[in-house]
Order: sequence, then structure tokens, then C-alpha cells
Amino acid sequence: GQQVMQIPQYQHVQEGEDFTTYCNSSTTLSNIQWYKQRPGGHPVFLIQLVKSGEVKKQKRLTFQFGEAKKNSSLHITATQTTDVGTYFCAEGNDYKLSFGAGTTVTVRA
Amino acid sequence: NAGVTQTPKFQVLKTGQSMTLQCAQDMNHEYMSWYRQDPGMGLRLIHYSVGAGITDQGEVPNGYNVSRSTTEDFPLRLLSAAPSQTSVYFCASSFRTHTPYGYTFGSGTRLTVV
Repeated sequence: GQQVMQIPQYQHVQEGEDFTTYCNSSTTLSNIQWYKQRPGGHPVFLIQLVKSGEVKKQKRLTFQFGEAKKNSSLHITATQTTDVGTYFCAEGNDYKLSFGAGTTVTVRA
Repeated sequence: NAGVTQTPKFQVLKTGQSMTLQCAQDMNHEYMSWYRQDPGMGLRLIHYSVGAGITDQGEVPNGYNVSRSTTEDFPLRLLSAAPSQTSVYFCASSFRTHTPYGYTFGSGTRLTVV
């Protein structure tokens, strides 16, 4: 089963607002990867976090790995309509990924 | 480079039929995987391969077979299609040390079993 749990399952955001989606695990994660899937599309790799407490930014997206390596978050500032889609976190080991169920984001213009 | 190519993009099968979903990558990736995606359940691993001639089962392998005779190709075979196999199937590939590139996914095969 899924080792990583994502919350919330759905996020409805007003354009211009910020939001955060979370990825939690009961066990220590070796690393965490984030993917974005646009409606009708396929998952696209965004980033990988490996180190405890690691923070990485991609423009308006900020990714964080918890100090205990049991949780991660994705924070999006000033949401745009291009941010619509489903965001997945996944634990990666050497040869496979275990995905969370995803957070589906809709944006109100 | 084409990346990961999946064929067909859409398929309708009758219960009991068999078929092969094709996946090919031209990035010289060692690792390849098949996932199925169902609403509200994320992506679940069916089978994976760490190199030519080496395959193993994932989370939901029943009803599916794979083989990896070359580095480039990783076909997924449905032995006797069932309505429960209606799903979107994604093939993905990665370098052995996938930092920092992650997995590259194909565009998917949308399968309906009636």
C-alpha cells in the first residue's frame, strides 16, 4: 500500500492566493520526489529532496523536507491558472517510486 | 530524443481478450516501470525492471506480465482482460541514480475493458 499520505485530497484556490499541500509518512523516507500532472496528461518530475530539513525553490514553488524526513510540503505562492493539476509526492528508492494519492488543485479566476 | 513512447494511446478490449501495451525509451535508462492510475488512488506500481533480463513484481501485478529483452523496450501484457483492469497505464524510466532527474513518464494508455 501507499507509504506516503497526502493532504488535502482537493484544494480549491482563488487565483493569486497561496496554498500548501502536505505529504506525510509514518516511517523515515530515504528521499521524496514531487510530480505534477496536468488534467489529461502524464506526471512530470518537479524536484527531489534528500537531506533532512532541505528547502528548494522553483519560482513560485517551495519544497521542504522535514527534519525527521517523515514529511514534506509543497507551497505555491500567488497561484495562477497554470498551476491547475494534481501534485504527487513519491518516495523513491533505488528502483521504484511509491506515490501518494495526490492533491488535485483547481483555481478560481 | 523522443523520451518514453507508449502505444497505443487508447484501447477498448472485451473481457477475456489479451493485448500488449508497448513502451520504449531512447534515453538509455536502466530502470523502467509500469504504473496504473485509478481515480483517487494515485499511481500504483505493477511491474518494474532494473535492467535487461531483470523484472520484478510491484504492488498490483496480478493479471499482468512483463519482459525486458532490451534496455529500450518494456512491454506490458494483459493475459485475460477484466473490467477491473480499466485504467490509465503509464510507463516510466529512470537512470539508476535518478537524482536529480526523477522518472520520465510516457503519455499513457487509456484502457477500457467492457
